[in-house]
Amino acid sequence: AQTVTQSQPEMSVQEAETVTLSCTYDTSESNYYLFWYKQPPSRQMILVIRQEAYKQQNATENRFSVNFQKAAKSFSLKISDSQLGDTAMYFCAFPYYNQGGKLIFGQGTELSVKP
Amino acid sequence: ETGVTQSPTHLIKTRGQQVTLRCSSQSGHNTVSWYQQALGQGPQFIFQYYREEENGRGNFPPRFSGLQFPNYSSELNVNALELDDSALYLCASSLKRGLPEQYFGPGTRLTVT
Repeated sequence: AQTVTQSQPEMSVQEAETVTLSCTYDTSESNYYLFWYKQPPSRQMILVIRQEAYKQQNATENRFSVNFQKAAKSFSLKISDSQLGDTAMYFCAFPYYNQGGKLIFGQGTELSVKP
Repeated sequence: ETGVTQSPTHLIKTRGQQVTLRCSSQSGHNTVSWYQQALGQGPQFIFQYYREEENGRGNFPPRFSGLQFPNYSSELNVNALELDDSALYLCASSLKRGLPEQYFGPGTRLTVT
């Protein structure tokens, strides 16, 4: 079964500091994608970053980067220079093609950035 | 380019009633997926539509049904509402079937009393 686990329900960080959110997953597929989505209080789910499993290089999008460890099935998100606008729920997600490409989400990590 | 839109923003229904939620996909996107997000949880996949046909379904009962129209917009219908159906319903579109990225709308908050 395809599963996604986020073991940190809540985290907080001081503005301008760095924080890392953890995600582990389980799949028998060899080629796949992984995503991090952000859901602020406005509720709109926003795609933050994606990683393709066949790429060894970790993805980076401005202040957001991932640490992808394929053998360990680990996919963490690092946010550098945290800003107040980063306050949100963060979800790790995995697309499962055997069911129409549905996204399987983790339970989420609620991140609070404090001034 | 217009993003994914959903209507209504929120609504309140009574147990046993029926509800229809609407979604317009992002311009050029032909695949639409629906998710249910209970409070404090990650979204759960309901089903996906591609070219007006269901293209995959999650573990939801048949009283959850959907439609996709020729312009790729979509509806989610829920019959015989139950209290546990109270949730945020999210619509997501993707450029075409098989592409992994899905882009979400702002959601419809449904409360069943």
